Amino acid sequence: EDQVTQSPEALRLQEGESSSLNCSYTVSGLRGLFWYRQDPGKGPEFLFTLYSAGEEKEKERLKATLTKKESFLHITAPKPEDSATYLCAVPEVGETSGSRLTFGEGTQLTVNP
Amino acid sequence: DADVTQTPRNRITKTGKRIMLECSQTKGHDRMYWYRQDPGLGLRLIYYSFDVKDINKGEISDGYSVSRQAQAKFSLSLESAIPNQTALYFCATSDNPGNTIYFGEGSWLTVV
Repeated sequence: EDQVTQSPEALRLQEGESSSLNCSYTVSGLRGLFWYRQDPGKGPEFLFTLYSAGEEKEKERLKATLTKKESFLHITAPKPEDSATYLCAVPEVGETSGSRLTFGEGTQLTVNP
Repeated sequence: DADVTQTPRNRITKTGKRIMLECSQTKGHDRMYWYRQDPGLGLRLIYYSFDVKDINKGEISDGYSVSRQAQAKFSLSLESAIPNQTALYFCATSDNPGNTIYFGEGSWLTVV
């Protein structure tokens, strides 16, 4: 059974203090790893998809990287508006695309001004 | 306007009542999903539909049913609501075959 584990559960940073969030997974053949951002009371918003070890993608202050066992979401010089819960997910067994995702429980990021 | 619209956004219902959550999308996607989110348990798939004639159970389908009325409409029903179905419910869509799932704003359901 595919498992997705995110750490830490919660992270508090000062504005400008860079850090990383971790997503480790156990899947029988990676078919993509997805990162989403979720604001309180809102639906998850798609950020990145990574497909192969060594791949990196960037968006503003966020950079996602992928190895064979885990993915990192690096946040450089964060701002208070980056505060949100960050979710990672992998497609379920038998899926070759982003459908039917198995989600981790998320990392709740708070950036203080 | 949102691409994936859920109604109602908030609902309080009593144990044993039937409740329907509706979802409509303007993205033109074939695939639609219902997820449930609980604190500490993350997002879990309830049902999914790859086209109007294709309905499949997800991880936690017991106590739920769905109807795909059209390509753009996918509703979730709780035939006899119970308190542990209190949760935040999300409808979502994706291309066929797509690699991104787009979520609605969510429907808060409280069963008392």
